[in-house]
Amino acid sequence: GAVVSQHPSRVICKSGTSVKIECRSLDFQATTMFWYRQFPKQSLMLMATSNEGSKATYEQGVEKDKFLINHASLTLSTLTVTSAHPEDSSFYICSARGPGEPYNEQFFGPGTRLTVL
Amino acid sequence: GQQLNQSPQSMFIQEGEDVSMNCTSSSIFNTWLWYKQDPGEGPVLLIALYKAGELTSNGRLTAQFGITRKDSFLNISASIPSDVGIYFCAGPANNTDKLIFGTGTRLQVFP
Repeated sequence: GAVVSQHPSRVICKSGTSVKIECRSLDFQATTMFWYRQFPKQSLMLMATSNEGSKATYEQGVEKDKFLINHASLTLSTLTVTSAHPEDSSFYICSARGPGEPYNEQFFGPGTRLTVL
Repeated sequence: GQQLNQSPQSMFIQEGEDVSMNCTSSSIFNTWLWYKQDPGEGPVLLIALYKAGELTSNGRLTAQFGITRKDSFLNISASIPSDVGIYFCAGPANNTDKLIFGTGTRLQVFP
């Protein structure tokens, strides 16, 4: 149980284009999902918290107009990187809060490697 | 803000050896989570700890929740090549459901 998927697993795009990444909870409903970014040889950094049916909350320093998050259903959250630039190249990972208690276990997707040329 | 520091930063060991790593913070955490991340993959939850002093095992892995609530330890016994990866500790920030991740310990196992 508690499986989270991400799509695509890898994407290469030109500078200035927008990229959408999907995060799905496959066998449970997730009212809360989280988006992280991980640069090479670094730890995971939380970007934003995605809440079903409401606006996402962003961490300090993360541009909400650049990283659009939509959590339209209990099993799907999307992250759109708008007008991507090379410095946005990174490993993007989503997670979902597990069903029931304890509430703070998070289950992670396999990640999406974004390369902006 | 809250930070989690892990040591050692990296380890190079021979197959069959036992491994110990730790995670420390200057502030108190009420939950400690240990994750393993393989290259190019998302983290996988290994062990969750919820009580100070708690000792929990998952196969060859054993983790402990420090009495002070400011640290946690992860031990791996009889390491095997598939133990290779990065081990992260994590805890909820300021009693929220947001997780703070540690700096990571990179483990290499040689046959």
